[in-house]
Amino acid sequence: QSALTQPASVSGSPGQSITISCSGTSSDVGSYKLVSWYQQHPGKAPKLMIYEDNKRPSRVSNRFSGSKSGNTASLTISGLQAEDEADYYCCSYAGSSTWVFGGGTKLTVL
Amino acid sequence: QVQLVQSGAEVKKPGASVKVSCKASGYTFTDYYLHWVRQAPGQGLEWMGWINPNSGDTNYAQKFQGRVTMTRDTSITTAYMELSRLSSDDTAVYSCAGGPGGKSGNWFDPWGQGTLVTVSS
Repeated sequence: QSALTQPASVSGSPGQSITISCSGTSSDVGSYKLVSWYQQHPGKAPKLMIYEDNKRPSRVSNRFSGSKSGNTASLTISGLQAEDEADYYCCSYAGSSTWVFGGGTKLTVL
Repeated sequence: QVQLVQSGAEVKKPGASVKVSCKASGYTFTDYYLHWVRQAPGQGLEWMGWINPNSGDTNYAQKFQGRVTMTRDTSITTAYMELSRLSSDDTAVYSCAGGPGGKSGNWFDPWGQGTLVTVSS
């Protein structure tokens, strides 16, 4: 089980939109509609932002959206705000009741 | 409210074992699988495995098989993760999380506060 591939960092200015990619394989991301995304602020526990590729918990702002094409999932944040600055992790089901996370992406709001 | 509270930080010597606890409250303990995830300093999240609190069944990531044991005590709604033959590479924050399986949805939530395990001679 290799970690999913995410860019180490992305950045954007307030009000802009950014997209974080999450690249997997046909054995994980590409085979199941089971990608989730987590936001983690320093020293805090991860917070669920997107589940099942593109579903958003009711408590999460609609500025966050998820999508997928083939073996690559994406998280888009629109109307970037200072509070969005955090680390973001994708996660996918990998078969045989196992799960795999991405390496994480540090989002900087300029 | 649903809550997972973990045991405190640990310092262990190389070759030793560590056992971290995760006490659940606010829901029926046997309804949801508990997963363990670790995060080494400055690194990403790494899934370690899960336990079904109802049956005690477990499933471990291949990387940890033979070295990790997940158990539970339903009488005190607590799950445990024990990792043996520790090395400095195991220095990390270990977290329990409600995750896929049982009546849970296909996501990880809630999370415990994390337990820092430091392996040092």
